[in-house]
Amino acid sequence: AQSVTQPDIHITVSEGASLELRCNYSYGATPYLFWYVQSPGQGLQLLLKYFSGDTLVQGIKGFEAEFKRSQSSFNLRKPSVHWSDAAEYFCAVGAGNTGNMLTFGGGTRLMVKP
Amino acid sequence: AAGVIQSPRHLIKEKRETATLKCYPIPRHDTVYWYQQGPGQDPQFLISFYEKMQSDKGSIPDRFSAQQFSDYHSELNMSSLELGDSALYFCASSEGRLLRSPLHFGNGTRLTVT
Repeated sequence: AQSVTQPDIHITVSEGASLELRCNYSYGATPYLFWYVQSPGQGLQLLLKYFSGDTLVQGIKGFEAEFKRSQSSFNLRKPSVHWSDAAEYFCAVGAGNTGNMLTFGGGTRLMVKP
Repeated sequence: AAGVIQSPRHLIKEKRETATLKCYPIPRHDTVYWYQQGPGQDPQFLISFYEKMQSDKGSIPDRFSAQQFSDYHSELNMSSLELGDSALYFCASSEGRLLRSPLHFGNGTRLTVT
Protein backbone atom coordinates (compact mmCIF):
# COMPACT_ATOMS: atom_id res chain seq x y z
CA ALA A 1 0.00 0.00 0.00
CA GLN A 2 1.11 3.52 -0.65
CA SER A 3 2.23 5.87 2.11
CA VAL A 4 3.41 9.45 2.41
CA THR A 5 5.71 10.95 5.02
CA GLN A 6 6.12 14.62 5.74
CA PRO A 7 9.00 14.75 8.22
CA ASP A 8 8.39 18.31 9.38
CA ILE A 9 5.25 18.87 11.45
CA HIS A 10 5.88 22.59 11.88
CA ILE A 11 8.05 25.02 9.96
CA THR A 12 8.52 28.71 10.64
CA VAL A 13 10.10 30.99 8.06
CA SER A 14 10.47 34.74 7.78
CA GLU A 15 8.49 36.58 5.15
CA GLY A 16 10.55 36.86 1.99
CA ALA A 17 12.67 33.83 2.81
CA SER A 18 12.74 30.70 0.70
CA LEU A 19 10.77 27.62 1.64
CA GLU A 20 11.14 23.91 1.13
CA LEU A 21 8.65 21.40 2.50
CA ARG A 22 9.73 17.79 2.40
CA CYS A 23 7.68 14.85 1.21
CA ASN A 24 8.68 11.21 0.83
CA TYR A 25 6.41 8.58 -0.61
CA SER A 26 6.21 4.83 -0.88
CA TYR A 27 4.42 3.42 -3.88
CA GLY A 28 4.92 0.37 -6.03
CA ALA A 29 4.40 1.94 -9.41
CA THR A 30 4.90 5.35 -10.95
CA PRO A 31 3.22 7.63 -8.44
CA TYR A 32 0.69 10.35 -8.99
CA LEU A 33 1.80 13.06 -6.59
CA PHE A 34 0.03 16.13 -5.32
CA TRP A 35 0.50 19.05 -2.98
CA TYR A 36 -2.56 20.57 -1.35
CA VAL A 37 -2.88 23.58 0.95
CA GLN A 38 -5.48 23.96 3.68
CA SER A 39 -6.30 27.15 5.54
CA PRO A 40 -8.05 26.84 8.93
CA GLY A 41 -11.65 25.69 8.59
CA GLN A 42 -11.34 25.47 4.83
CA GLY A 43 -11.20 22.72 2.25
CA LEU A 44 -8.05 21.66 0.48
CA GLN A 45 -6.80 23.53 -2.54
CA LEU A 46 -4.61 21.87 -5.15
CA LEU A 47 -1.24 23.59 -5.54
CA LEU A 48 0.29 21.30 -8.13
CA LYS A 49 0.43 17.72 -9.33
CA TYR A 50 2.80 15.32 -11.03
CA PHE A 51 1.76 12.46 -13.26
CA SER A 52 4.62 12.03 -15.69
CA GLY A 53 7.06 13.96 -17.84
CA ASP A 54 9.07 16.91 -16.61
CA THR A 55 10.11 16.27 -13.04
CA LEU A 56 9.94 19.95 -12.10
CA VAL A 57 6.33 20.96 -11.77
CA GLN A 58 5.04 24.50 -11.55
CA GLY A 59 1.94 25.26 -9.53
CA ILE A 60 -0.19 28.13 -8.40
CA LYS A 61 0.87 30.93 -6.05
CA GLY A 62 4.52 30.66 -7.12
CA PHE A 63 5.03 27.13 -5.80
CA GLU A 64 6.99 24.41 -7.54
CA ALA A 65 7.89 20.83 -6.71
CA GLU A 66 10.50 18.42 -7.97
CA PHE A 67 9.93 14.69 -8.36
CA LYS A 68 13.04 12.66 -7.57
CA ARG A 69 12.45 8.99 -8.17
CA SER A 70 15.82 7.94 -6.77
CA GLN A 71 15.00 9.60 -3.45
CA SER A 72 11.24 8.86 -3.50
CA SER A 73 10.71 12.52 -2.83
CA PHE A 74 8.44 15.29 -4.03
CA ASN A 75 9.54 18.40 -2.15
CA LEU A 76 7.62 21.65 -2.42
CA ARG A 77 9.51 24.91 -2.83
CA LYS A 78 8.84 28.61 -3.02
CA PRO A 79 11.59 31.20 -3.50
CA SER A 80 9.97 33.95 -1.43
CA VAL A 81 7.27 33.29 1.15
CA HIS A 82 4.40 35.71 1.75
CA TRP A 83 2.49 36.04 5.02
CA SER A 84 -0.61 34.70 3.26
CA ASP A 85 1.18 31.39 2.67
CA ALA A 86 0.74 30.46 6.34
CA ALA A 87 -1.39 27.31 6.26
CA GLU A 88 -1.23 23.52 6.48
CA TYR A 89 0.37 21.79 3.52
CA PHE A 90 -0.37 18.21 2.58
CA CYS A 91 1.54 16.00 0.21
CA ALA A 92 -0.46 13.14 -1.27
CA VAL A 93 -0.04 10.14 -3.54
CA GLY A 94 -2.94 9.12 -5.73
CA ALA A 95 -4.23 5.69 -6.67
CA GLY A 96 -7.48 4.09 -7.70
CA ASN A 97 -9.41 4.29 -10.94
CA THR A 98 -9.01 8.05 -11.30
CA GLY A 99 -5.72 8.55 -9.47
CA ASN A 100 -7.66 10.72 -7.06
CA MET A 101 -7.99 8.16 -4.27
CA LEU A 102 -5.47 10.09 -2.24
CA THR A 103 -3.28 9.00 0.63
CA PHE A 104 -2.11 12.08 2.46
CA GLY A 105 0.95 12.74 4.52
CA GLY A 106 0.53 14.03 8.04
CA GLY A 107 0.83 17.63 6.91
CA THR A 108 3.26 20.43 7.62
CA ARG A 109 2.04 23.57 9.33
CA LEU A 110 3.78 26.63 7.95
CA MET A 111 4.06 29.76 10.04
CA VAL A 112 5.41 32.98 8.56
CA LYS A 113 7.18 35.56 10.68
CA PRO A 114 6.87 39.22 9.67
CA ALA B 1 -16.86 30.14 -10.33
CA ALA B 2 -19.16 27.55 -8.78
CA GLY B 3 -17.58 25.38 -6.12
CA VAL B 4 -18.43 22.16 -4.35
CA ILE B 5 -21.27 22.77 -1.91
CA GLN B 6 -21.59 20.78 1.28
CA SER B 7 -24.43 20.87 3.74
CA PRO B 8 -24.82 21.28 6.54
CA ARG B 9 -21.73 23.24 7.48
CA HIS B 10 -21.92 22.06 11.09
CA LEU B 11 -23.81 19.16 12.64
CA ILE B 12 -24.10 18.05 16.24
CA LYS B 13 -25.43 14.59 17.00
CA GLU B 14 -25.53 12.28 19.98
CA LYS B 15 -24.06 8.81 20.15
CA ARG B 16 -26.08 6.16 18.36
CA GLU B 17 -27.92 8.75 16.28
CA THR B 18 -27.80 8.94 12.49
CA ALA B 19 -26.53 11.73 10.27
CA THR B 20 -26.78 12.54 6.58
CA LEU B 21 -24.24 14.76 4.86
CA LYS B 22 -24.90 16.19 1.43
CA CYS B 23 -22.55 17.16 -1.36
CA TYR B 24 -23.33 19.07 -4.53
CA PRO B 25 -20.48 18.84 -7.04
CA ILE B 26 -19.38 21.49 -9.45
CA PRO B 27 -21.67 21.54 -12.51
CA ARG B 28 -20.63 18.94 -15.13
CA HIS B 29 -18.54 17.08 -12.55
CA ASP B 30 -19.66 13.47 -12.46
CA THR B 31 -17.19 12.03 -9.95
CA VAL B 32 -17.55 12.58 -6.22
CA TYR B 33 -15.19 11.67 -3.37
CA TRP B 34 -15.66 11.62 0.39
CA TYR B 35 -12.83 12.20 2.86
CA GLN B 36 -12.79 12.22 6.66
CA GLN B 37 -10.36 14.43 8.58
CA GLY B 38 -10.14 13.85 12.31
CA PRO B 39 -8.84 16.58 14.65
CA GLY B 40 -5.19 17.24 13.84
CA GLN B 41 -5.18 14.40 11.34
CA ASP B 42 -4.65 14.16 7.62
CA PRO B 43 -7.69 13.46 5.43
CA GLN B 44 -8.59 9.80 4.96
CA PHE B 45 -10.30 8.61 1.79
CA LEU B 46 -13.69 7.01 2.41
CA ILE B 47 -15.37 6.32 -0.92
CA SER B 48 -15.90 7.69 -4.42
CA PHE B 49 -18.55 7.50 -7.13
CA TYR B 50 -18.46 7.91 -10.87
CA GLU B 51 -21.67 8.19 -12.86
CA LYS B 52 -23.67 7.03 -9.83
CA MET B 53 -21.63 3.86 -9.42
CA GLN B 54 -19.12 3.24 -6.65
CA SER B 55 -15.63 3.75 -8.06
CA ASP B 56 -13.15 3.28 -5.24
CA LYS B 57 -13.60 2.30 -1.59
CA GLY B 58 -11.32 3.28 1.21
CA SER B 59 -11.59 3.16 4.98
CA ILE B 60 -15.33 3.68 5.18
CA PRO B 61 -16.89 1.93 8.21
CA ASP B 62 -19.73 -0.52 7.64
CA ARG B 63 -21.97 1.87 9.62
CA PHE B 64 -21.59 4.41 6.83
CA SER B 65 -23.10 4.24 3.38
CA ALA B 66 -23.08 6.63 0.48
CA GLN B 67 -24.66 7.06 -2.89
CA GLN B 68 -24.65 9.36 -5.86
CA PHE B 69 -27.93 10.45 -7.37
CA SER B 70 -29.04 11.13 -10.94
CA ASP B 71 -28.24 14.84 -10.56
CA TYR B 72 -24.74 13.81 -9.40
CA HIS B 73 -25.13 15.06 -5.87
CA SER B 74 -24.04 12.62 -3.21
CA GLU B 75 -25.09 11.80 0.32
CA LEU B 76 -23.08 10.16 3.08
CA ASN B 77 -25.29 8.37 5.59
CA MET B 78 -23.83 7.62 8.99
CA SER B 79 -25.59 5.41 11.52
CA SER B 80 -24.93 4.36 15.10
CA LEU B 81 -22.67 7.36 15.52
CA GLU B 82 -19.69 7.05 17.82
CA LEU B 83 -17.62 9.71 19.52
CA GLY B 84 -14.75 8.84 17.18
CA ASP B 85 -16.83 9.85 14.18
CA SER B 86 -16.38 13.49 15.18
CA ALA B 87 -14.44 14.93 12.29
CA LEU B 88 -14.47 17.23 9.31
CA TYR B 89 -16.01 15.47 6.32
CA PHE B 90 -14.94 16.72 2.93
CA CYS B 91 -16.54 16.11 -0.38
CA ALA B 92 -14.61 16.66 -3.58
CA SER B 93 -15.57 16.43 -7.21
CA SER B 94 -13.82 16.02 -10.52
CA GLU B 95 -14.83 15.87 -14.16
CA GLY B 96 -14.85 12.34 -15.43
CA ARG B 97 -12.47 9.59 -14.54
CA LEU B 98 -9.60 11.12 -16.43
CA LEU B 99 -6.41 10.85 -14.48
CA ARG B 100 -5.56 14.46 -15.03
CA SER B 101 -8.87 15.82 -13.82
CA PRO B 102 -8.06 17.66 -10.59
CA LEU B 103 -10.07 17.37 -7.40
CA HIS B 104 -12.04 20.35 -6.16
CA PHE B 105 -12.82 20.20 -2.46
CA GLY B 106 -15.75 21.67 -0.61
CA ASN B 107 -15.30 23.45 2.71
CA GLY B 108 -16.46 20.43 4.63
CA THR B 109 -19.11 19.47 7.17
CA ARG B 110 -17.94 19.50 10.77
CA LEU B 111 -19.64 16.67 12.62
CA THR B 112 -19.54 16.63 16.40
CA VAL B 113 -20.81 13.57 18.20
CA THR B 114 -21.57 14.03 21.91
